[in-house]
Amino acid sequence: RKEVEQDPGPFNVPEGATVAFNCTYSNSASQSFFWYRQDCRKEPKLLMSVYSSGNEDGRFTAQLNRASQYISLLIRDSKLSDSATYLCVVTPGGDPGRRALTFGSGTRLQVQP
Amino acid sequence: DTEVTQTPKHLVMGMTNKKSLKCEQHMGHRAMYWYKQKAKKPPELMFVYSYEKLSINESVPSRFSPECPNSSLLNLHLHALQPEDSALYLCASSQEQAGSVTNEKLFFGSGTQLSVL
Repeated sequence: RKEVEQDPGPFNVPEGATVAFNCTYSNSASQSFFWYRQDCRKEPKLLMSVYSSGNEDGRFTAQLNRASQYISLLIRDSKLSDSATYLCVVTPGGDPGRRALTFGSGTRLQVQP
Repeated sequence: DTEVTQTPKHLVMGMTNKKSLKCEQHMGHRAMYWYKQKAKKPPELMFVYSYEKLSINESVPSRFSPECPNSSLLNLHLHALQPEDSALYLCASSQEQAGSVTNEKLFFGSGTQLSVL
């Protein structure tokens, strides 16, 4: 089983739609969770951290479910500019000195007019 | 705009060339990273420096040689690369080593698109 798994998509949605992505992780000891956004041929940019209590930033809501080991990202009122690949990022387990963030393969979102 | 600066933005090199990629950050971050990203794939970790010491080397071939001259600079020296090494090379930094410290975020440079002929 991969450490971090995402549905690659693409998710094709009309403008104004609500869309949700899930990401599952294998290591129950993972402590840090993030969603990054990456546009084509650009660098990944932090979208939001994901906390146990859930967090919201405008149209974006992130949730963490530790029991089922998944995180989710909800985008409301989709805009054309939301079209991008969304990367789920998690800390793996193991030696703290040897940990680095692990990226999921990304979910591609295409918002259509 | 990213506060991690990478040069050059594009690089074409032959298999016998030696070149270097450069990365600079002035955010006072103590951890710096090199990632490699192929098209339609996620970034793959290559190296991590923490407090200017090599912390993680993900079994990268020796034709890639990292160097951290000081806490603000990170280089990646390239020698005798193969065409399959063509990719986007991303530098990143974080306050402390992400993964070792909870909720430590990575900040990426815009990358160097490398083509090996």
